[in-house]
Amino acid sequence: TQLLEQSPQFLSIQEGENLTVYCNSSSVFSSLQWYRQEPGEGPVLLVTVVTGGEVKKLKRLTFQFGDARKDSSLHITAAQPGDTGLYLCAGGQYGGSQGNLIFGKGTKLSVKP
Amino acid sequence: DAEITQSPRHKITETGRQVTLACHQTWNHNNMFWYRQDLGHGLRLIHYSYGVQDTNKGEVSDGYSVSRSNTEDLPLTLESAASSQTSVYFCASSRGQASTGELFFGEGSRLTVL
Repeated sequence: TQLLEQSPQFLSIQEGENLTVYCNSSSVFSSLQWYRQEPGEGPVLLVTVVTGGEVKKLKRLTFQFGDARKDSSLHITAAQPGDTGLYLCAGGQYGGSQGNLIFGKGTKLSVKP
Repeated sequence: DAEITQSPRHKITETGRQVTLACHQTWNHNNMFWYRQDLGHGLRLIHYSYGVQDTNKGEVSDGYSVSRSNTEDLPLTLESAASSQTSVYFCASSRGQASTGELFFGEGSRLTVL
């Protein structure tokens, strides 16, 4: 069974700080997605990375897919209270059906003003 | 605007009762999914469908069933609710492959089984 381990599980920081969230596996994935989920709502897609070594930027958020396609990171620069939420990574499985998107357990981020 | 809606948003039921959670999407997506989200487990796939009359079991399908009679709806049924099925349930849809496209999630249905 493929697993995606996210770290840290919880992160509480002050506004303006930088942070990095990690998503690691021993398995190779065809793609890696990052979602953000706010309380009482469903997850919303932030980015999809599909090429090993790929880096994508979304304003203050930088996403990287590992060269070996086994891991990914999300870096937030100058965090703001609006960044608060649960960040989920999800890996697409090679040869799997469209249903086989494996989710990590998430990183709960709290950014205090 | 296109959307995906779940109902009910909150439900309390008793052990042994049948429960159906509704999911309706207006994107005309072929692919629809049901996940459950629990502390310590993240999102786990229950069932999914690639189109009308197609259904497939996911990682945690025991005790659940789905049917796909049209493109817009994928209701999730708990035949005999158990306390272990207390969870938040999310329906999602996608136009293309979930692994390279985008999953659009509903707002969730919180189910409590007493």
